[in-house]
Amino acid sequence: GDSVTQMEGPVTLSEEAFLTINCTYTATGYPSLFWYVQYPGEGLQLLLKATKADDKGSNKGFEATYRKETTSFHLEKGSVQVSDSAVYFCALIPNSGGSNYKLTFGKGTLLTVNP
Amino acid sequence: EAQVTQNPRYLITVTGKKLTVTCSQNMNHEYMSWYRQDPGLGLRQIYYSMNVEATDKGDVPEGYKVSRKEKRNFPLILESPSPNQTSLYFCASSLGLAPAGYNEQFFGPGTRLTVL
Repeated sequence: GDSVTQMEGPVTLSEEAFLTINCTYTATGYPSLFWYVQYPGEGLQLLLKATKADDKGSNKGFEATYRKETTSFHLEKGSVQVSDSAVYFCALIPNSGGSNYKLTFGKGTLLTVNP
Repeated sequence: EAQVTQNPRYLITVTGKKLTVTCSQNMNHEYMSWYRQDPGLGLRQIYYSMNVEATDKGDVPEGYKVSRKEKRNFPLILESPSPNQTSLYFCASSLGLAPAGYNEQFFGPGTRLTVL
């Protein structure tokens, strides 16, 4: 079945450091890929998405590129801020038909940014 | 404001006492779903609904029931809660258009349930 593997956390960075959170997936066909962010005490918010190979999703300084050849969707940000401290989830939805639009999530990566 | 709401946000209960967690969306979405979030396991789908009166099991449906009598509401029912259902629960909704991956899913704020 479909699965998502993302790097284990926690990740601790200093403000203005470069961030990479690795994400790889297993799925048939061409799934859509997502990064969700969960701030402390809140629900999940969509951070960015990509729906086909070589697409780059971007939002709030974060970027991720859909790499079909390596089945990856790594999240990057050039300069993190304290306000980026949160749990980040990589997820996919298959586009191969069916009636369940289930998101398959990775286990999440806790990011802490120190001033 | 477009949103998904859940109630209650926090609940402590005892084994065997029936409870309902409500979920409501104001975006006229067709698709709704329930997930539970557990440490080290990420989020797993419990049940989903493609439209009114159409519900189906997700990956971890045991011990849960749902109903979809109106488009906006999708309550999660625990008829006889047990301690292994202690978790953080999220409701989500989306337009339900094809293909699936083109639909942004909107999440509620979560319900933290503790079963003693």
